[in-house]
Amino acid sequence: GESVGLHLPTLSVQEGDNSIINCAYSNSASDYFIWYKQESGKGPQFIIDIRSNMDKRQGQRVTVLLNKTVKHLSLQIAATQPGDSAVYFCAENMAGANSKLTFGKGITLSVRP
Amino acid sequence: IAGITQAPTSQILAAGRRMTLRCTQDMRHNAMYWYRQDLGLGLRLIHYSNTAGTTGKGEVPDGYSVSRANTDDFPLTLASAVPSQTSVYFCASSVSGTGLYGYTFGSGTRLTVV
Repeated sequence: GESVGLHLPTLSVQEGDNSIINCAYSNSASDYFIWYKQESGKGPQFIIDIRSNMDKRQGQRVTVLLNKTVKHLSLQIAATQPGDSAVYFCAENMAGANSKLTFGKGITLSVRP
Repeated sequence: IAGITQAPTSQILAAGRRMTLRCTQDMRHNAMYWYRQDLGLGLRLIHYSNTAGTTGKGEVPDGYSVSRANTDDFPLTLASAVPSQTSVYFCASSVSGTGLYGYTFGSGTRLTVV
């Protein structure tokens, strides 16, 4: 979900388990969604995207699910590894000449060895 | 290696001073963006450029200016820095500004205004 305080919400998972990171987006007109990963001291890195004409998209060890009815996006990471520890952002956009990505505030994923 | 280069990596700046943060991309992307990232507030858009020669204001443009003289470069200038501009600044680019493509980010500039 989204963070409204000074500290990001944290998801702690055991190494090897699956992780599910959730995001509620705000604009029902959004038709393009992206998950980014940000490691400490680095810029956000593209993980996976999905367009509104799809409900699910799979990448390498990651799956994004989109539920347009409840405006919900999730990122599933299979067999979570220590290198997956980072802040994860969802972003939404809609097609248009002057449209810009809107980012969620992020969720920290912490992987326990 | 294709991507975005930002400079400097970090800077401590006296309040009232002028500073330009540099951003260069080699992907021939049409659109470029400047974001600031503050704890609890996420990434907020400062200015953007959909194509060389054009710029636009984002969510938090006050105190900042940009120019886009060519496709590759998109500098961000703080005319007279204030402590509230202490932040991490990220430059990003995308194939176009139509909302159909993701953004590629640089590694950021950590700016402290004292």
